[in-house]
Amino acid sequence: SQELEQSPQSLIVQEGKNLTINCTSSKTLYGLYWYKQKYGEGLIFLMMLQKGGEEKSHEKITAKLDEKKQQSSLHITASQPSHAGIYLCGSHSIYNQGGKLIFGQGTELSVKP
Amino acid sequence: DTAVSQTPKYLVTQMGNDKSIKCEQNLGHDTMYWYKQDSKKFLKIMFSYNNKELIINETVPNRFSPKSPDKAHLNLHINSLELGDSAVYFCASSQGRYQPQHFGDGTRLSIL
Repeated sequence: SQELEQSPQSLIVQEGKNLTINCTSSKTLYGLYWYKQKYGEGLIFLMMLQKGGEEKSHEKITAKLDEKKQQSSLHITASQPSHAGIYLCGSHSIYNQGGKLIFGQGTELSVKP
Repeated sequence: DTAVSQTPKYLVTQMGNDKSIKCEQNLGHDTMYWYKQDSKKFLKIMFSYNNKELIINETVPNRFSPKSPDKAHLNLHINSLELGDSAVYFCASSQGRYQPQHFGDGTRLSIL
């Protein structure tokens, strides 16, 4: 079965610091999504990556998909308290199962002011 | 305007009861999903409907029955609730099966 592994599982950073979250798959990723979840709320779509080597940015968040399409990283520059939350990577199943997303276990980010 | 809305937001009930969660999306999407998030925050697909047709039915107890009266609604009915059903249930929608999914705020189900 296909699984996504995120690292680290949790992260505490000082405001203003940069950080990186990784998402690794044992199989080729078909459509890699990054979501953010705040406590008590739903998932907010951040970015979608499809092509090997692709990189996208939104404000201070940059996501990349490696050439082999088996690993993605999410980088936050100059972190702020508003970046705190749980970051989840998700990917479509390689078995073409009706568009379902398989998620990593999440990375909980805390930003200390 | 809420894009994907679920009701209720909180649901506390006794073991053995039957309950329903409703989901509506106003995005004009043709595909809707139910996910379950357990206490460890792990999110897993349960069901998916495309144009009111069931396309994904994961290994979910048949006590869980989804119903899609139209493209904009996907409800989840749960019979004979068990302690292990306690979780956060998320509804999501997308245009097509391989586009970003938009999530509701979740329904927190607690079984006493």
